[in-house]
Amino acid sequence: KAGVTQTPRYLIKTRGQQVTLSCSPISGHRSVSWYQQTPGQGLQFLFEYFSETQRNKGNFPGRFSGRQFSNSRSEMNVSTLELGDSALYLCASSSTFPYEQYFGPGTRLTVT
Amino acid sequence: QQQVKQSPQSLIVQKGGISIINCAYENTAFDYFPWYQQFPGKGPALLIAIRPDVSEKKEGRFTISFNKSAKQFSLHIMDSQPGDSATYFCAAHNDYKLSFGAGTTVTVRA
Repeated sequence: KAGVTQTPRYLIKTRGQQVTLSCSPISGHRSVSWYQQTPGQGLQFLFEYFSETQRNKGNFPGRFSGRQFSNSRSEMNVSTLELGDSALYLCASSSTFPYEQYFGPGTRLTVT
Repeated sequence: QQQVKQSPQSLIVQKGGISIINCAYENTAFDYFPWYQQFPGKGPALLIAIRPDVSEKKEGRFTISFNKSAKQFSLHIMDSQPGDSATYFCAAHNDYKLSFGAGTTVTVRA
């Protein structure tokens, strides 16, 4: 089975711009979660989707949003980018048993 | 605040030695405790996990010990190899989300 794929792998944006990141889960997995990883804050939960419904959301400002499509693929969007948004954004997928989360390689976002 | 506290921040072990990483939590609603291994430039990879009704789980050279009353759990890496050099994260699950420890960088010296 192919693993979780994320596109793009690297992205450079300017402050004030917006960005959309994409995630394709492992085939058959219906839950997709997003995490932000930074050296200072570590791994922090952004949100989780199952069957196009957001079931949980982390403590991030409203500039961070996400969605899931009927084929379980997911996107996350960050609007009005700030320098502090520079991070590795990780997507994880799981089957109906939500505990075992499998991560993709991440998208490295740099905001200048 | 960090819901899962992990220690040490880093450790160095000789090849063949044992690496031990400890984690503690407060939230009794956590229902699943995985460990992840991350290499530079890669996403975290699920290594081993345990449910709170089990006190120990072993998979190959990796063992989780779980103490529910103390709200602590640990990862033991036996016969450490240079290929085990990576950052290890403990995590705890509840309400469809994982809360991660700060990570431990393990260096195995040949």
